[in-house]
Amino acid sequence: AQKITQTQPGMFVQEKEAVTLDCTYDTSDPSYGLFWYKQPSSGEMIFLIYQGSYDQQNATEGRYSLNFQKARKSANLVISASQLGDSAMYFCAMREGRRKGGGNKLTFGTGTQLKVEL
Amino acid sequence: DTGVSQDPRHKITKRGQNVTFRCDPISEHNRLYWYRQTLGQGPEFLTYFQNEAQLEKSRLLSDRFSAERPKGSFSTLEIQRTEQGDSAMYLCAIAPSSYTFGSGTRLTVV
Repeated sequence: AQKITQTQPGMFVQEKEAVTLDCTYDTSDPSYGLFWYKQPSSGEMIFLIYQGSYDQQNATEGRYSLNFQKARKSANLVISASQLGDSAMYFCAMREGRRKGGGNKLTFGTGTQLKVEL
Repeated sequence: DTGVSQDPRHKITKRGQNVTFRCDPISEHNRLYWYRQTLGQGPEFLTYFQNEAQLEKSRLLSDRFSAERPKGSFSTLEIQRTEQGDSAMYLCAIAPSSYTFGSGTRLTVV
């Protein structure tokens, strides 16, 4: 079973509008972390925002916010006031466990390609 | 400046050749990861180091792949007898709190 599911291969949004990128996850571990990364065409993975499973409040970082619905196992990324520079691939990722013996590696979804239009 | 330097940025090699990639964290971090990203997919975990010890390896890491982190700082990833299926972006990451990725090495096997 997929641990991270991103159902939107591509999304379009007009400049200055808000856009929501969907992410659902699957884990039985009570302790986990959810990450969003942006990957421009140049290839680097840019960290955007993090939500811990025990965090009471939804995470926010500037124009990025994470709509965390624990019961639904969803962690959607909301980008407000879209800019042309937001055009990129966006990945949702999960880290299971909190520094257990394993490496706490990230599991990624397949990504959503966002295109911001004038 | 991502905090992680990867070299080379691009590598084109003929099938059957060996290649080696290097990952240099700018500052010291205990945990270092290698991921592979093929076209249209998210990154997939390959291996993980805690200091110089390689603690976990993915099934994706066949016998042709070897990774080292000899002094617990930089790391190398070697692929022997490359195959066309090895063509991918190879990403290195360090993990203080959030995971910081390098810009990757894009490998093309022809």
